[in-house]
Amino acid sequence: AQRVTQPEKLLSVFKGAPVELKCNYSYSGSPELFWYVQYSRQRLQLLLRHISRESIKGFTADLNKGETSFHLKKPFAQEEDSAMYYCALSGISGNQFYFGTGTSLTVIP
Amino acid sequence: EAQVTQNPRYLITVTGKKLTVTCSQNMNHEYMSWYRQDPGLGLRQIYYSMNVEVTDKGDVPEGYKVSRKEKRNFPLILESPSPNQTSLYFCASSSPDGGTGELFFGEGSRLTVL
Repeated sequence: AQRVTQPEKLLSVFKGAPVELKCNYSYSGSPELFWYVQYSRQRLQLLLRHISRESIKGFTADLNKGETSFHLKKPFAQEEDSAMYYCALSGISGNQFYFGTGTSLTVIP
Repeated sequence: EAQVTQNPRYLITVTGKKLTVTCSQNMNHEYMSWYRQDPGLGLRQIYYSMNVEVTDKGDVPEGYKVSRKEKRNFPLILESPSPNQTSLYFCASSSPDGGTGELFFGEGSRLTVL
């Protein structure tokens, strides 16, 4: 069963434009949601998690339980935001992780 | 430097020749896990381990084995590799912090099975 869906494989925006990377999930119970990012030639790393409610590098993501979504947003995209973004879900036990297929974001100068 | 180290980074092998991909972390993390990344499929969890001598299957465990004899090491074993195991493999570790801890990833191991 597909637990995490990222509908956009590729996304291009102009520098300074708003960006939204979509993530929908299916899971019974209360999962933890994350966004991981992989910049060119770097390791996959945590960007943000819903329980922290932080804004990291200008990005925010709100967990919408009604729509089962965890979209990643940034009001003004920067060139350094170009990367591969993965939405991920962890179950109640925190043992199993489910990743989406990823969205490759390109910010055009 | 706190990190997760995988070896080898690149490997080409032939069908049926047993191989091991090692994973080591120096952060004293209890939790370790393995993933494979394939085009169009994202990352899929193979196995995970909550602590020493405790391992469990993830989403795609067939054809793989793991062991956790020490806290810092979590090797992935392919007893009889097949071409459909050609993939990019990632090891990750974390320490629960009241919720699911942040995953720290290795650099990845690209495996080709001919």
